[in-house]
Amino acid sequence: DTGVSQDPRHKITKRGQNVTFRCDPISEHNRLYWYRQTLGQGPEFLTYFQNEAQLEKSRLLSDRFSAERPKGSFSTLEIQRTEQGDSAMYLCASSPGTSGRETQYFGPGTRLLVL
Amino acid sequence: AQTVTQSQPEMSVQEAETVTLSCTYDTSESDYYLFWYKQPPSRQMILVIRQEAYKQQNATENRFSVNFQKAAKSFSLKISDSQLGDAAMYFCAYLGLTSGGSYIPTFGRGTSLIVHP
Repeated sequence: DTGVSQDPRHKITKRGQNVTFRCDPISEHNRLYWYRQTLGQGPEFLTYFQNEAQLEKSRLLSDRFSAERPKGSFSTLEIQRTEQGDSAMYLCASSPGTSGRETQYFGPGTRLLVL
Repeated sequence: AQTVTQSQPEMSVQEAETVTLSCTYDTSESDYYLFWYKQPPSRQMILVIRQEAYKQQNATENRFSVNFQKAAKSFSLKISDSQLGDAAMYFCAYLGLTSGGSYIPTFGRGTSLIVHP
């Protein structure tokens, strides 16, 4: 049974560059969530998909952030024109079903450092 | 917006002893779910225990149990017979409906548990 995987695990970039992260959910999980976690904080919701549809976005998700989930399988999160404040751990989670009440299963995260 | 408060930034316990981590939350909803997640250093977050608000019985999972006090909006985690492998950050999470009609979790800031041999 394969869990949620994320790639890359670490990313260092210079301010102003674009970065893209990938998340592969547990097979057949309908819902996929993106979170951001900064040091000393719990995860903060960014956005989520049900299959290929993006159903809700947090106000934390600025215009520089975009997420996709083509074909309802893996998802990508792109950050354009990165800023130092974007440095954080980006977590992906998936869950079965469609109600949203199901338990979410987390990936190992992508740690982003913007210099 | 719902808030989740974990008032203990750090807790320590001796191996084989019992420790309780506290969590309070704020909501006006009656239908919601509560979770404790464990995040070991440099490893992914895993579910420890889940509680449905409509269930009066406290959830238990082996050495882990909760004290769910709905009226007080309190959801504490008790770890019995603590083991070295229990050392991690523990996050309390509230899952309820947002104004957008979706179930989205809100996490506390976490409690770092140190286990002394």
